[in-house]
Amino acid sequence: KQEVTQIPAALSVPEGENLVLNCSFTDSAIYNLQWFRQDPGKGLTSLLLIQSSQREQTSGRLNASLDKSSGRSTLYIAASQPGDSATYLCAVDDLYSGYALNFGKGTSLLVTP
Amino acid sequence: DARVTQTPRHKVTEMGQEVTMRCQPILGHNTVFWYRQTMMQGLELLAYFRNRAPLDDSGMPKDRFSAEMPDATLATLKIQPSEPRDSAVYFCASGLVFGTSGGPPETQYFGPGTRLLVL
Repeated sequence: KQEVTQIPAALSVPEGENLVLNCSFTDSAIYNLQWFRQDPGKGLTSLLLIQSSQREQTSGRLNASLDKSSGRSTLYIAASQPGDSATYLCAVDDLYSGYALNFGKGTSLLVTP
Repeated sequence: DARVTQTPRHKVTEMGQEVTMRCQPILGHNTVFWYRQTMMQGLELLAYFRNRAPLDDSGMPKDRFSAEMPDATLATLKIQPSEPRDSAVYFCASGLVFGTSGGPPETQYFGPGTRLLVL
């Protein structure tokens, strides 16, 4: 069964810092890896999707990389802002899960002014 | 602005009562997922439909949970009888799979969730 781990579980940084969130998965036979954002009491918003044949995706201040062979992904947030405070979830889908997403427990990010 | 909608947004009920949660996937999407989120377990898959047919419901306790898609615009998740351990946020997500390759949808779009509390 696919296991997805996110480190750190929580992170607090001052505004303006660049930061990296880490995600690892145990089975490299994935189709896609997605990063989501979840605000307290809200649903999930997809931030970036990396297909298994890709190495990275960028959207604004966000950059996600994928190293499928080593089972790792990083989400890089540049010049963090208080509005970035949220929980960030990493998820992968694979054949054995029926293409459903396997989620990590998330990294809770707090960006202080 | 196409969105996945879920009703109710909040539900408080007593143990033993039936609970029905509804999801309206994005029009044209052919894949629907039900997930449950708890503090302890995080997000877990409960059931998964493609073209209204159930493909995977192995994550669901079969004795009390049931999931259906009466039509392409409605997915339901029912708990009968409900128990306090069912308290969680239940998310529905939809996506579109192209062609007959059987691969995953490119992106899953999540609804706002139903927050369930069973007393």
